[in-house]
Amino acid sequence: GNSVTQMEGPVTLSEEAFLTINCTYTATGYPSLFWYVQYPGEGLQLLLKATKADDKGSNKGFEATYRKETTSFHLEKGSVQVSDSAVYFCARSTGNTGKLIFGQGTTLQVKP
Amino acid sequence: GAVVSQHPSWVICKSGTSVKIECRSLDFQATTMFWYRQFPKQSLMLMATSNEGSKATYEQGVEKDKFLINHASLTLSTLTVTSAHPEDSSFYICSALPTGGPQPQHFGDGTRLSIL
Repeated sequence: GNSVTQMEGPVTLSEEAFLTINCTYTATGYPSLFWYVQYPGEGLQLLLKATKADDKGSNKGFEATYRKETTSFHLEKGSVQVSDSAVYFCARSTGNTGKLIFGQGTTLQVKP
Repeated sequence: GAVVSQHPSWVICKSGTSVKIECRSLDFQATTMFWYRQFPKQSLMLMATSNEGSKATYEQGVEKDKFLINHASLTLSTLTVTSAHPEDSSFYICSALPTGGPQPQHFGDGTRLSIL
């Protein structure tokens, strides 16, 4: 089928810890892949994206690499901050409809 | 750039009233906009695709007559929740896709709707 699967949360880390949030997808063809972040009570903000295999998206210290062979787009950050506490959504595009398919979201809590 | 404004951000109203939510793309044109609903601690559920100058396309299970969508210009789409009831209480989020441009969608900040 066509879906996006994220690791379950919540993920709780101490400040300056290394972060990985796993995301895998199923799709026919080669969709574009995205990570969005949602802070409490707000809409979604694009964090980073990758449009083809082996592309690496990066922003604000976060990175994710489009891995075709493992159909994955894992989100990483070397040193998290308390302000990174939010819900993170992995998403993929669907053909030329403009629609996105979202994963279920992963809550990140960073403690001082 | 690529700012999407959603209004109101929070609304409380009595059961039976209709509520209109606006979604505006402030610095770009958007032929296509999307409306999502999000329940607490859950992912976004796509409700409908709003197309400028034509009828919206609703996802399976979404009541067209309950959730009226109008996309009258390239920068504005509205969602009207008609005869709202407590079960319609939710967080509604819109997004806009730049006309002729590639992804990504740009999201509004959402509207918290509470029906008493």
